[in-house]
Amino acid sequence: GDSVTQMEGPVTLSEEAFLTINCTYTATGYPSLFWYVQYPGEGLQLLLKATKADDKGSNKGFEATYRKETTSFHLEKGSVQVSDSAVYFCALVQGGGFKTIFGAGTRLFVKA
Amino acid sequence: DSGVTQTPKHLITATGQRVTLRCSPRSGDLSVYWYQQSLDQGLQFLIHYYNGEERAKGNILERFSAQQFPDLHSELNLSSLELGDSALYFCASSRTSGGAYEQFFGPGTRLTVL
Repeated sequence: GDSVTQMEGPVTLSEEAFLTINCTYTATGYPSLFWYVQYPGEGLQLLLKATKADDKGSNKGFEATYRKETTSFHLEKGSVQVSDSAVYFCALVQGGGFKTIFGAGTRLFVKA
Repeated sequence: DSGVTQTPKHLITATGQRVTLRCSPRSGDLSVYWYQQSLDQGLQFLIHYYNGEERAKGNILERFSAQQFPDLHSELNLSSLELGDSALYFCASSRTSGGAYEQFFGPGTRLTVL
């Protein structure tokens, strides 16, 4: 079945460091891919998405490119801030499907 | 604030009991999704309703059931509770059903089974 694999956390970075959180997926067809973020004590919020191969999603300085050849959707940010400390979830939905499959989540700590 | 409300915020109960979790979607959203988040299982999709009809089922136990009412709010019923049912239960809503539509998550209900 469909699945999403994320790099294990926690990831600890200093402020202004470069961030990469790896995400790979297994799916038949052409899923849509998402990154959601969960701040402490809150529900998930959509960070960015991409619906087809080579699409780049971007928001709040975060970017991810849908790579079909490597079945990946890695999250990147050039300069992290303390306020980016949260849990990040990679997810997929099959085209026309109703089920969202989430990765295990990666916790990010950013130190001042 | 996502516009999705969930009640109660916290729920503490005993094994064998039954509880009902409530979710009100954002105004205008027809779809509701339920998820369970636990330390060992991560975030698991349970069930999805669109405009009152069940559209998809995920890893939902037979002891659990849900429905979406004509006013579009939804309830998740958990019965014969076990210790392992302790988790955060999230509801999410979206404008329509399926595909790449953004889901808006509520703040969750934390269930503790003692």
